[in-house]
Amino acid sequence: QKEVEQDPGPLSVPEGAIVSLNCTYSNSAFQYFMWYRQYSRKGPELLMYTYSSGNKEDGRFTAQVDKSSKYISLFIRDSQPSDSATYLCAMSPDLNTGFQKLVFGTGTRLLVSP
Amino acid sequence: GAGVSQSPSNKVTEKGKDVELRCDPISGHTALYWYRQSLGQGLEFLIYFQGNSAPDKSGLPSDRFSAERTGGSVSTLTIQRTQQEDSAVYLCASRPYLTGGQREQYFGPGTRLTVT
Repeated sequence: QKEVEQDPGPLSVPEGAIVSLNCTYSNSAFQYFMWYRQYSRKGPELLMYTYSSGNKEDGRFTAQVDKSSKYISLFIRDSQPSDSATYLCAMSPDLNTGFQKLVFGTGTRLLVSP
Repeated sequence: GAGVSQSPSNKVTEKGKDVELRCDPISGHTALYWYRQSLGQGLEFLIYFQGNSAPDKSGLPSDRFSAERTGGSVSTLTIQRTQQEDSAVYLCASRPYLTGGQREQYFGPGTRLTVT
């Protein structure tokens, strides 16, 4: 079993829809949770970052962490065709060391149609 | 400013040949990572460099893989005697060396390696 599980998709939605992307994990030591967005033929770029449990909002994006269930989510409101990309969750037990090793999910491919 | 650059962007090689992949990190970033991204496998950590410290090689899948970083800047990932299962996108990331809290890793566009 992988430490981080993520549905690969693809997830197809019409423009304007609310999108929910999710990851589950098994390592209870994870405390830092990130979402990266990766466009085709590009490297991943950091989208959202949260520490421990709770919610964080940034524009149309909301990240949620439920450590009791070992479950994290990324919600995208009013989705746009430009949101079409692969979304990778990543997590780490400790970012207070220099290494900051991240464990990534496999990524979910999102397609938003006009 | 300039981001992380990688070369070549694409590499096709025959099974058994050696390949070298190059990464130019963002200027001033002392931490550098190599990852491998295979279809359906997500990003797999390979190796981590920090300044002049010994690299963390714990993610290298076999002794055919090696990497070096010269002068604390440019890094080269070398795969010897390539196998078809080495076909993947190899990504490099860099970040400033700071402890405490989140520090974003900045990724390059990757090198797509195809072993025939």
